[in-house]
Amino acid sequence: DADVTQTPRNRITKTGKRIMLECSQTKGHDRMYWYRQDPGLGLQLIYYSFDVKDINKGEISDGYSVSRQAQAKFSLSLESAIPNQTALYFCATSGYPPQGGTDTQYFGPGTRLTVL
Amino acid sequence: DAKTTQPPSMDCAEGRAANLPCNHSTISGNEYVYWYRQIHSQGPQYIIHGLKNNETNEMASLIITEDRKSSTLILPHATLRDTAVYYCIVRVYGGATNKLIFGTGTLLAVQP
Repeated sequence: DADVTQTPRNRITKTGKRIMLECSQTKGHDRMYWYRQDPGLGLQLIYYSFDVKDINKGEISDGYSVSRQAQAKFSLSLESAIPNQTALYFCATSGYPPQGGTDTQYFGPGTRLTVL
Repeated sequence: DAKTTQPPSMDCAEGRAANLPCNHSTISGNEYVYWYRQIHSQGPQYIIHGLKNNETNEMASLIITEDRKSSTLILPHATLRDTAVYYCIVRVYGGATNKLIFGTGTLLAVQP
């Protein structure tokens, strides 16, 4: 979805380096998410944020940190990258769910990260 | 969140309807059925969701059985561009993490 952009789209780095992945959205959504996908597997949630002052750990947050700089921006950092963090990383956004309903998450195009 | 079961792969002829099944026998009354697809390492794309009534949009139809223990996603006229991994996900409204739990999905191969 062009409303959710991720930079960079591809990155190769070395073990021990600090890496930041950025996500921006123009959908006006309050909720943003970072997921990771390993080859042949489904997505796993790393962190999520329901608004600028709300940050929550997902199921695999170890080794990662996030920053919600503004409603439209959510960054994921790897403080000291290691090879098993080589994966596809996806950002997603969602609006507040309607009464009695659920919110729908919309995904960015992804960042392919390789840690050597 | 309830677990879903999908066949690992399916084939469909171009122009024909693709019917993708999903079992969710432990679904609770407040859990929605969501469908996403992922085309070769691109970001997952939302397709459709429903609670208990059948739903239709410009992309697909969702048929949910009366007991809600299974559902079928229907792509009415499959094209080569519909080749993708299709994920069936159940989500509770107001769940604490609001996360989507992706399984391994069904790889739909549309054949010319």
